[in-house]
Amino acid sequence: NAGVTQTPKFQVLKTGQSMTLQCAQDMNHNSMYWYRQDPGMGLRLIYYSASEGTTDKGEVPNGYNVSRLNKREFSLRLESAAPSQTSVYFCASIGGYEQYFGPGTRLTVT
Amino acid sequence: GNSVTQMEGPVTLSEEAFLTINCTYTATGYPSLFWYVQYPGEGLQLLLKATKADDKGSNKGFEATYRKETTSFHLEKGSVQVSDSAVYFCALEPMDSSYKLIFGSGTRLLVRP
Repeated sequence: NAGVTQTPKFQVLKTGQSMTLQCAQDMNHNSMYWYRQDPGMGLRLIYYSASEGTTDKGEVPNGYNVSRLNKREFSLRLESAAPSQTSVYFCASIGGYEQYFGPGTRLTVT
Repeated sequence: GNSVTQMEGPVTLSEEAFLTINCTYTATGYPSLFWYVQYPGEGLQLLLKATKADDKGSNKGFEATYRKETTSFHLEKGSVQVSDSAVYFCALEPMDSSYKLIFGSGTRLLVRP
């Protein structure tokens, strides 16, 4: 039981490049989330998926797209990266009343 | 709107000292309240939670009481250890939300031997 896994752990992009952050959970949870963490700002919700086949915007969705590929996987895509998207990205899923977080992806956009 | 305010860090303590990290919130009705801990290089882990007024959440020696009258959920521990060094996040889930958490900015705790 690996919990929530994320790939890659680190990534450096140039402005305008695209990439997809991968997230998978093996706990059979319905709901999954993507957050970004910036210094002094806590975590902010980008997108979430309440169940397979559904996605909704969170607080800061601009510049991102998501795909809930199946119950296990929830990916986050940056179509044209910008320096303002430099951040640490966390995926989470919820079971019972607890959110389980992945280890994070540190993304730098130059 | 909904928001969470935490005391700024870092908080630096000696081992066995008493810890308080303040957290206040703004929300309508009765949100659920949480404390999460983030150790270096890791994701967040749920530390404790409280879902209604006057509830006390506790775990690993940490406690926090849901105070509706002061809209607060302060984190306390009687005797900290070096291994408690981490970043602590207070969070709330609004009544009308489906598990969409709102986080405070985090408080870094450094415990010296």
